[in-house]
Amino acid sequence: AQSVAQPEDQVNVAEGNPLTVKCTYSVSGNPYLFWYVQYPNRGLQFLLKYITGDNLVKGSYGFEAEFNKSQTSFHLKKPSALVSDSALYFCAVRPLGYQKVTFGTGTKLQVIP
Amino acid sequence: DTAVSQTPKYLVTQMGNDKSIKCEQNLGHDTMYWYKQDSKKFLKIMFSYNNKELIINETVPNRFSPKSPDKAHLNLHINSLELGDSAVYFCASSHGVGTDNEQFFGPGTRLTVL
Repeated sequence: AQSVAQPEDQVNVAEGNPLTVKCTYSVSGNPYLFWYVQYPNRGLQFLLKYITGDNLVKGSYGFEAEFNKSQTSFHLKKPSALVSDSALYFCAVRPLGYQKVTFGTGTKLQVIP
Repeated sequence: DTAVSQTPKYLVTQMGNDKSIKCEQNLGHDTMYWYKQDSKKFLKIMFSYNNKELIINETVPNRFSPKSPDKAHLNLHINSLELGDSAVYFCASSHGVGTDNEQFFGPGTRLTVL
């Protein structure tokens, strides 16, 4: 069985400050890990993914994520938050060779001007 | 130039009615999905098709029946609609099965059952 946990329902950060959105996962075997963003009344958009290799993955809009195998985490980060980053962020996992992607419960990011 | 499109965008109907949602992708992908997002924004996979064959069928009531006439289309028919079916339904597509490829999502169909 595979699962994803996003422990924070909401994260508030001041504009210009660094942001972190947390994600931990549980899978059997090696994972493919993804981050998606959902703006209000829109579908999900892909941000970045971890497949293998370098633990620091860079993605769209200046976001990056760090894969930590020992802590089974894949936290999303950005050095300097923008008001336009305010949205709902989903972490997702797919075990290697499996068909199904499991999404976390989502974290609402609020960037305060 | 829409990659994944869904129709209709909004659907308001009475309990007991039957309705369909259509999805089309022009990305050349071979795998398509239906997701349900509830009022708390939880996202749950319902079905997935690869090359017109059903590959994921989660615990979904039999009232929900997907159909994939070709690789570019995946429709969702819902019989005898219930209040609990009210949600936003997202179609998505990707290339390959069990791969590291990301999914592309449609804009969603907001279904309201009265």
